[in-house]
This record gives sequence, structure tokens and C-alpha cells, in this order.
Amino acid sequence: TQLLEQSPQFLSIQEGENLTVYCNSSSVFSSLQWYRQEPGEGPVLLVTVVTGGEVKKLKRLTFQFGDARKDSSLHITAAQPGDTGLYLCAGATSGTYKYIFGTGTRLKVLA
Amino acid sequence: ETGVTQTPRHLVMGMTNKKSLKCEQHLGHNAMYWYKQSAKKPLELMFVYSLEERVENNSVPSRFSPECPNSSHLFLHLHTLQPEDSALYLCASSQQRGRGVYNEQFFGPGTRLTVL
Repeated sequence: TQLLEQSPQFLSIQEGENLTVYCNSSSVFSSLQWYRQEPGEGPVLLVTVVTGGEVKKLKRLTFQFGDARKDSSLHITAAQPGDTGLYLCAGATSGTYKYIFGTGTRLKVLA
Repeated sequence: ETGVTQTPRHLVMGMTNKKSLKCEQHLGHNAMYWYKQSAKKPLELMFVYSLEERVENNSVPSRFSPECPNSSHLFLHLHTLQPEDSALYLCASSQQRGRGVYNEQFFGPGTRLTVL
């Protein structure tokens, strides 16, 4: 069974701090996506990474796909209250319809 | 309307009721999905429709019955549900670009279902 473990599960930090969220698996994925979900809403896609070692930046967010395509990280610089939400990673395997979702990291940024 | 829409946003039903959830995508995609999101659990894939054909049925109880009349619409028919079925039900769509190759998924806002 493919699993994606995210850590930490919960994170509460002050505005301006940096943080990193990890997404780990023993399985290889052809692509990996990161989403942010706010209460009462569906997940919103932030980024897709497809190449081992790939790094993508989205303003203050930096995403990295592991060299072996089994893990990924999300780094937020100078967090702001608007970054508060549930962060989900999802791995896809080519040749299947399935996206395996991670356990989620709930982030709260205090003003 | 843009993106993926879902109705109703909230639903409370008794165990003997029959109700339906509706999803509509305005993105021109050819694949649609139903997910269940429960507290403290990862998103669980329930059903996948590709080109209006069901291609995945992830061991979902028969009290959940999907319907995909065309590539833009997806329904989830509910009957004789249990309290443990209370959850956020999310619809998503994506574009199939080749055999088994799917582009990113875009989610709707979800239907918050409570079964009494």
C-alpha cells in the first residue's frame, strides 16, 4: 500500500518565522503536488513537481522534489497569517488514476 | 461559473433518506473524481470517471452510487447512510492526456455531509 507521511502534523508559529513541511514515502511517484486547503473549502493546487531534484518557487514558498522522487518538502519564508491552512501533498503514479494524498500538515501563523 | 462547483454545500440527512450530491466542472476536463475527507484521515479516493466511464471504484459501499451523465457533470447518490459516513465530500476534475497520464486535479469546495 502506498502511503505519504507528512510532518509535522501541526505547526503553530509567529508571523515572520520560517518553516519546512516534509512529505515522505517509500514509493516512487511520477509527480507530486502540493495543495493548501482552508476550512470549509476544497484543496487549492499550489505546485506540481515532476523531475527528481526539481525546485520550484512560488513567492515565499519553495518546493523541492527528492532526487529519488519518493519525498518532497515545502519551505515557507517569513510566514504570514494568510499562509494559515492545511497543507497536503499528493503523489501520482503514471499508468494509474490514483493520487495518494498525505496525512496533512495543519499550519497556523499568529500575527 | 468557473472551476469546479458543488451543490449543496451543506447537507444533513437521516439514515433512511435518499439524497444526491452534484458536481459540475467548467474547465473542459475529461476526468472527474469523488473523494471523502474525514477528520484525521487522508483524502480517500472513492470513484474516478474518465471519458464518462467509471475506471475506479475504490471498495466503496453500495450505499454510495455515482453517476456521470456527461464529461461536465458528476453525481453521488446517497441512500441508507450511516453516521460514520459524515464527512466532507470533494469533487475534482483533471485532463487525461494519454493512457493513464493525468494532469493536475482541481477541486470543488466540497459538500459537508452530516448523517444523523
